[in-house]
Amino acid sequence: GAGVSQSPRYKVAKRGQDVALRCDPISGHVSLFWYQQALGQGPEFLTYFQNEAQLDKSGLPSDRFFAERPEGSVSTLKIQRTQQEDSAVYLCASSSGHSVSYNEQFFGPGTRLTVL
Amino acid sequence: DAKTTQPTSMDCAEGRAANLPCNHSTISGNEYVYWYRQIHSQGPQYIIHGLKNNETNEMASLIITEDRKSSTLILPHATLRDTAVYYCIVRPNSGAGSYQLTFGKGTKLSVIP
Repeated sequence: GAGVSQSPRYKVAKRGQDVALRCDPISGHVSLFWYQQALGQGPEFLTYFQNEAQLDKSGLPSDRFFAERPEGSVSTLKIQRTQQEDSAVYLCASSSGHSVSYNEQFFGPGTRLTVL
Repeated sequence: DAKTTQPTSMDCAEGRAANLPCNHSTISGNEYVYWYRQIHSQGPQYIIHGLKNNETNEMASLIITEDRKSSTLILPHATLRDTAVYYCIVRPNSGAGSYQLTFGKGTKLSVIP
């Protein structure tokens, strides 16, 4: 069956450009997560949605980062005025149910963002 | 403030058991031990989790010490496809931080032919 998909897989942006990264979670999954993975590091939590509600955005590194999930399915992570330190792999994950603590998170392949 | 400590890298011969250790000496009573792995250029993949009893599934076994301060992930017959970074994660079962996964740097397991 279809897993979590992300697009684009690779994105090159010039410093100062805005970018939008898309995540298509597994159909019917209530919870959606975004993580950022710098080179050689483990993924770091950015934000969490339950349906369309963004319940936690404590991991977003600055106000240039914005995430939305308006209809409770597809999500978009937007980065405004990209900086070189934003270069990383952005991972999306989804899980079923509302009680996320017992549900495994299924990850997409990630979008590799390179800011020149 | 890492909650887990893992070796940076390990090698394992193909067909042999791979034993990956993890220290989590400050684990709390309501915190589970989770293991995920990340194959190159892919997203992390769930392997197994446990609270205090040993657990086994089709992928691996998880052995948690009685004092819960450490655990070992066992891949019984490692194959080349098991080459990946393995992450040991401590996660509460409810409340603050229960939904997010806090990854460390993990252990890079190389399965050698």
